[in-house]
Amino acid sequence: AQTVTQSQPEMSVQEAETVTLSCTYDTSESDYYLFWYKQPPSRQMILVIRQEAYKQQNATENRFSVNFQKAAKSFSLKISDSQLGDAAMYFCAYRRYGRGGADGLTFGKGTHLIIQP
Amino acid sequence: NAGVTQTPKFQVLKTGQSMTLQCAQDMNHEYMSWYRQDPGMGLRLIHYSVGAGITDQGEVPNGYNVSRSTTEDFPLRLLSAAPSQTSVYFCASRKDSHGYTFGSGTRLTVV
Repeated sequence: AQTVTQSQPEMSVQEAETVTLSCTYDTSESDYYLFWYKQPPSRQMILVIRQEAYKQQNATENRFSVNFQKAAKSFSLKISDSQLGDAAMYFCAYRRYGRGGADGLTFGKGTHLIIQP
Repeated sequence: NAGVTQTPKFQVLKTGQSMTLQCAQDMNHEYMSWYRQDPGMGLRLIHYSVGAGITDQGEVPNGYNVSRSTTEDFPLRLLSAAPSQTSVYFCASRKDSHGYTFGSGTRLTVV
């Protein structure tokens, strides 16, 4: 079974600095998708970035980028120029496949990101 | 588009009662799934589906039933509520290779 591990329950960073959130996963598949989701206190789940495993290039969305190491099964999220609005829980997720092509997400336990003003 | 709509937003049940959490999407998404979120546990997959008629079990399916008779709706049924099912429930949907879009959640308390 696929598993997703986030080893940092909480991280703190100064505003305008850079922070990296770690994620490792376990799978026997060769082609898959990985995601980072943000959950602010409003509880809404917001897609931050996604990565397709067969693509060598690391995904980037504005201040958010990933370091995808397929052989090491590592998928870290880098947030540059941290802003107060980045404060939230961040979840790493792996898309798992089931019967008839159905799929869903397996999540890590999350990292609580604190932004210090 | 309303996106993914979950009803109700809050619910209190007594142990042993049954109820259905509703999830509807108006984006013509094939893939839908249900999750529960407990403190310190992240989100865990309950059931998932691709199109009408196809469903599968996730990590924590016990005590929950689903069916998918239309593309738009994916209700989650609690057959006999237990205090261990107190949680926040999220429904999500997606199309093609995009990430999932989530509803705003249902907070369920079983007393």
